[in-house]
Amino acid sequence: NAGVTQTPKFQVLKTGQSMTLQCAQDMNHNSMYWYRQDPGMGLRLIYYSASEGTTDKGEVPNGYNVSRLNKREFSLRLESAAPSQTSVYFCASTRTGDEQYFGPGTRLTVT
Amino acid sequence: LAKTTQPISMDSYEGQEVNITCSHNNIATNDYITWYQQFPSQGPRFIIQGYKTKVTNEVASLFIPADRKSSTLSLPRVSLSDTAVYYCLVGGPGGYQKVTFGIGTKLQVIP
Repeated sequence: NAGVTQTPKFQVLKTGQSMTLQCAQDMNHNSMYWYRQDPGMGLRLIYYSASEGTTDKGEVPNGYNVSRLNKREFSLRLESAAPSQTSVYFCASTRTGDEQYFGPGTRLTVT
Repeated sequence: LAKTTQPISMDSYEGQEVNITCSHNNIATNDYITWYQQFPSQGPRFIIQGYKTKVTNEVASLFIPADRKSSTLSLPRVSLSDTAVYYCLVGGPGGYQKVTFGIGTKLQVIP
């Protein structure tokens, strides 16, 4: 099992550009999450998907959109990147109520 | 949502037992307490989860008093490789989706 995979690992964007962060899990988990982590800070929840076909906002959803493509995949889209979105993005998955499994993260820099 | 409070940082010498306490005064009846560990440039990793009394696994112990308003993560005989940030989370089935990680406790193990 690969667990939770994320692509890309690194990305540099210019202000106003768009991009999609990809996340996939092979553990047949129901729930998936997107977090961001700024330097010296904890993780903040952007969006989550409790099950296939559903998504909901977390603590910091502004500037992001998500798609739960199927049970395996959960993507995060930045429509118009801003320097304030420079961060490390983590995807996670879980069976509902169980421990979360995290991906390796995507380091995004917006100039 | 139950808010958690934990020390921002702790230092410990190698070989000592480390106890990190987390306060969660407004924990709900069906909430579980979960601890994660995060190394630099990696996603968090599950350590232990409990509901009440004491839970032990091969990595750590979790002590939860009867009122469940706090919990203590105990790491026996720490080594340099235990240097990491430790997060205390409170949440449960159905409420887990919106749990937040906070800043965590940065543990520095000293040779």
